[in-house]
Amino acid sequence: KQEVTQIPAALSVPEGENLVLNCSFTDSAIYNLQWFRQDPGKGLTSLLLIQSSQREQTSGRLNASLDKSSGRSTLYIAASQPGDSATYLCAVRPNNNAGNMLTFGGGTRLMVKP
Amino acid sequence: KAGVTQTPRYLIKTRGQQVTLSCSPISGHRSVSWYQQTPGQGLQFLFEYFSETQRNKGNFPGRFSGRQFSNSRSEMNVSTLELGDSALYLCASSLRASGVTDTQYFGPGTRLTVL
Repeated sequence: KQEVTQIPAALSVPEGENLVLNCSFTDSAIYNLQWFRQDPGKGLTSLLLIQSSQREQTSGRLNASLDKSSGRSTLYIAASQPGDSATYLCAVRPNNNAGNMLTFGGGTRLMVKP
Repeated sequence: KAGVTQTPRYLIKTRGQQVTLSCSPISGHRSVSWYQQTPGQGLQFLFEYFSETQRNKGNFPGRFSGRQFSNSRSEMNVSTLELGDSALYLCASSLRASGVTDTQYFGPGTRLTVL
């Protein structure tokens, strides 16, 4: 059974700092991995999707990497801003014909202080 | 293009009642998935529908059921509500059933409170 873990569970940083969020998964047979952002009481916003054959994806100040063999992904946020404060979730999709089912990590709650 | 919409946004029910939640996917998307989010268990997959057929089901009791209509809109139903069913229920839509590059887009969720 796939298990996804995110460390740390919470993180507080001053504005302008570069930071890394970690995601690990136990089964390397994945189809893709997605990073999401969730604001309090709201739905999820997709940030980046990395296919299993890719090593990284970039969007603006965000860069996500994937090392499938070691079961790890990182989300790098450059020059953090107070508006980046949210919970960040990673989710993996298995490649066993399980459709679009995602297994989520517990999330990292990020606070960026002005 | 409009995003995923869910109705209602908030619901308060009492134990033993049943509830129906609705989800309208992004236009053209044919896959709809449902998730339950609670502080203790996080986000858990409930089920997925594609072309009116249930493709996958998570580890939830039979009180949780769903369906998808020909226009891809989906409903989920929870019967005989329990206190532990209080949660944020999220719906996600995707273009296809198995596209490796297909992002899943989530709606704002329905907050269900069971008293």
